[in-house]
Amino acid sequence: QLQLQESGPGLVKPSETLSLTCTVSGGSISSNNYYWGWIRQPPGKGLEWIGSIYYSGSAYYNPSLKSRVTMSVDTSKNQFSLRLSSVTAADTALYYCARHVHQLAQPDLWGRGTLVTVSS
Amino acid sequence: QSVLTQPPSVSAAPGQKVTISCSGSSSNIGNNYVSWYQQLPGTAPKLLIYDNNKRPSGIPDRFSGSKSGTSATLGITGLQTGDEADYYCGTWDSSLSVYWVFGGGTKLTVL
Repeated sequence: QLQLQESGPGLVKPSETLSLTCTVSGGSISSNNYYWGWIRQPPGKGLEWIGSIYYSGSAYYNPSLKSRVTMSVDTSKNQFSLRLSSVTAADTALYYCARHVHQLAQPDLWGRGTLVTVSS
Repeated sequence: QSVLTQPPSVSAAPGQKVTISCSGSSSNIGNNYVSWYQQLPGTAPKLLIYDNNKRPSGIPDRFSGSKSGTSATLGITGLQTGDEADYYCGTWDSSLSVYWVFGGGTKLTVL
C-alpha cells in the first residue's frame, strides 16, 4: 500500500530556504491522477495547506505562501519536494506531505510529518 | 484567521452524540465538497469524511457528515474516549485562486 515519508533538515536559519522531500513508496508517483501536496501545522495550532503538484509539474499553491514556495517532482526517485524561501520563526511547524487522489480532491493519505524549526 | 469557522471546543459524555459545525462561504463550502479529518494526539490527521458525507473504508458509521448551503456538520454518535481528538473540516476555495482551506479545528473532549 502507498506510503509517504518526509525528510529534510530539522533546523533552518532565519532568511534561509527550507527544503523538504517526500518519498512515495508502494506505488508510482506518476500513476493515476494523483496530486502530491504539502500541509503544515505550527506547534499547538491548526493545519495550513501549502500546495499540491502533479508529476508533470502542474501545481496549485496557497496564495498566502505562493511567492515563497517552489514545489517539484522527481519521477526517477519517486519523490516530490518543497522549498520555502526567506523563512522566519513563523514557519516553524510540523510539515506533512500528502496525496490528493485527483486534481481537486481532498488530501486523503498523509505522511507522519517532520518538524522544522526556524532559529539561529 | 481561518477561512472556515469551527467552534474551538465541544464536549460530551461517553455514549452520547456530538456535532461539530464548519461555516464558510459561497467561494468554498457553498460550491465544493467538504471533508473532515480526525487528529489524535501526536499523530497525523486521518480522513474521516469526504464528498460531504462519504466514509473511507474502515471508518465506522458512528461518524457522519452533512452539508447545507455554506455550512457543514460532522456528527459522532456513541462517543468513546478514543474519539477525543482535534477535528478539522476542509474544502477547496476559489476566492483568490484555487486552493485547499482548513477550518481552525475543534477539540473534542469526551467527559
